[in-house]
Amino acid sequence: EAQVTQNPRYLITVTGKKLTVTCSQNMNHEYMSWYRQDPGLGLRQIYYSMNVEVTDKGDVPEGYKVSRKEKRNFPLILESPSPNQTSLYFCASSLGQGGTTNEKLFFGSGTQLSVL
Amino acid sequence: QKEVEQNSGPLSVPEGAIASLNCTYSDRGSQSFFWYRQYSGKSPELIMFIYSNGDKEDGRFTAQLNKASQYVSLLIRDSQPSDSATYLCAVNEGRRDDKIIFGKGTRLHILP
Repeated sequence: EAQVTQNPRYLITVTGKKLTVTCSQNMNHEYMSWYRQDPGLGLRQIYYSMNVEVTDKGDVPEGYKVSRKEKRNFPLILESPSPNQTSLYFCASSLGQGGTTNEKLFFGSGTQLSVL
Repeated sequence: QKEVEQNSGPLSVPEGAIASLNCTYSDRGSQSFFWYRQYSGKSPELIMFIYSNGDKEDGRFTAQLNKASQYVSLLIRDSQPSDSATYLCAVNEGRRDDKIIFGKGTRLHILP
């Protein structure tokens, strides 16, 4: 089954404790992206990647890191989480052929993160 | 800053009626337009996309695009309670094919 898999689904942590949210897709997509969704603010892009070893900042990259060592995986790293990073996070992917993302985005099931 | 604007709602529509959702965008160079549906606590899923001016129909859904007026709309005919969700409008940033901008979404509530 074609899918984007995120883990964990729920995560509660404390301020300053490094964490990683994993994202993997099995569709051979070139484009992958991370979003956070907050009430009243909608979906905001954190980082995205057009291909292996190519990553770029989105609209709200502060406090986050990503890597794209393999085509299928795009982990999101919070080196020192703070309470303002409490949010619902989504990973997404699309074909991304030709350096574009003008196709359907496939979303993971989301990670609800709470930073105490 | 490129923007995509939607009325946050909630938009309440009787079952069986037509639900009309609207979206305006600021970037005249945008070429690709998407509508995603998101149920509470779930991830967004694509229901329609449109690239050309005019109407595009798929089952009970019709997307309408007017590039001159910079708006895109979604009509849902014969609304069902299962259509109750938040609808996200998404638009590509015209000068950057790698950038999609999402609106904040409109909450739709279908009244049984």
